Amino acid sequence: DIQMTQSPSSLSASVGDRVSITCRASQGIRSDLGWYQQKPGKAPKRLIYVASSLQSGVPSRFSGSGSGTEFTLTISSLQPEDFATYYCLQYNSYPYTFGQGTKLEIK
Amino acid sequence: QVTLKESGPVLVKPTETLTLTCTVSGFSLTNAAMGVSWIRQPPGKALEWLAHIFSNDGKTYSSSLKTRLTISKDTSKSQVILTMTNMDPVDTGTYFCARTQLPTATMGVFDYWGQGTLVTVSS
Repeated sequence: DIQMTQSPSSLSASVGDRVSITCRASQGIRSDLGWYQQKPGKAPKRLIYVASSLQSGVPSRFSGSGSGTEFTLTISSLQPEDFATYYCLQYNSYPYTFGQGTKLEIK
Repeated sequence: QVTLKESGPVLVKPTETLTLTCTVSGFSLTNAAMGVSWIRQPPGKALEWLAHIFSNDGKTYSSSLKTRLTISKDTSKSQVILTMTNMDPVDTGTYFCARTQLPTATMGVFDYWGQGTLVTVSS
């Protein structure tokens, strides 16, 4: 199975800050990676697919980069509604695997 | 409008078999490009992918749970069913279904999710 190592596990930031979250795959996964946002009690929402493609309707302050084994989700200017938990997911091969999650909290 | 909705028991006893149903609308399970996965999340923990069913009825499972899982579909009812045998309290959590549209190399996966259903395993 491909292991996804996500860091940091938690992050404290302020409105307006630029933040980045990283996922590392245990083996190369091309660009077969997505980023998901989850708020308490809700289903995850897809933000990014194919490593860097922005889901329709998602604000442009969200961006994704990377390929192979290292990937990054960047939020250019945090807004109050962005405080949530973020997960990466590799879908290069089965079984699909998620990162452990990053909880983004207000400083 | 694409929607998915999970249903099933709220409470199951240890050793029992869980059966969950995902009812979809806005797309067809017979469409060659469509597939559905089940994903779960224990309280306060990370997401875990469980199983996937393809339009041609092909199936794939989590390595650690494959002996306990069966995924199937009823296209006439637009439903995907997941059964998990020998339930244990550690299986407590929210179970989601989510759609995948092929090809994943350009479309990604899990563009639409159900709201989730909370299952508690307790005697």
